[in-house]
Amino acid sequence: LAKTTQPISMDSYEGQEVNITCSHNNIATNDYITWYQQFPSQGPRFIIQGYKTKVTNEVASLFIPADRKSSTLSLPRVSLSDTAVYYCLVATDGYNKLIFGAGTRLAVHP
Amino acid sequence: AAGVIQSPRHLIKEKRETATLKCYPIPRHDTVYWYQQGPGQDPQFLISFYEKMQSDKGSIPDRFSAQQFSDYHSELNMSSLELGDSALYFCASNRGRDSPLHFGNGTRLTVT
Repeated sequence: LAKTTQPISMDSYEGQEVNITCSHNNIATNDYITWYQQFPSQGPRFIIQGYKTKVTNEVASLFIPADRKSSTLSLPRVSLSDTAVYYCLVATDGYNKLIFGAGTRLAVHP
Repeated sequence: AAGVIQSPRHLIKEKRETATLKCYPIPRHDTVYWYQQGPGQDPQFLISFYEKMQSDKGSIPDRFSAQQFSDYHSELNMSSLELGDSALYFCASNRGRDSPLHFGNGTRLTVT
């Protein structure tokens, strides 16, 4: 089964930019890439979604190279409240079977 | 804006008992998903419904069943509960392929 691969954990400091890369080698032509953030004991929360090139919203940017086999979530100037688990999802098993891979546990330090 | 509502928030059951979790998706969303998340684990896909019909199944035990009703709310029924069923159960909904999932706050099930 196709799946996503992300770093297990990352550490950063307040005010720094954090880039988390997700590998999705078998992404289908029509699939979007969606990133979620999850705090302990809460449901995942949508951050950003993209198909190609670059997408930016008020909280993050998403960079997708031309081959779309990976994507990079960029969080500018992180704060302590950005400490969370980050997941990238692609609909590789069907649009109604969205599988979470192992997310990236980001720890932001003072 | 309306969000996905799950009930109850907390549920304590004993081994071999039965539990029913409820999910009320965002109005006009056509797909509902159920996920199980054990302590320190990533969410595991259980089952999904599209327009009230079962769409896909994941690693859902045979002891679990789910359905979506005419008003689009969904219920996850869990029988013969085991200690390993203790987890957070999330429901999510969306409308249309590629649209982001909206998650509820989850039901924390504790089996003793």
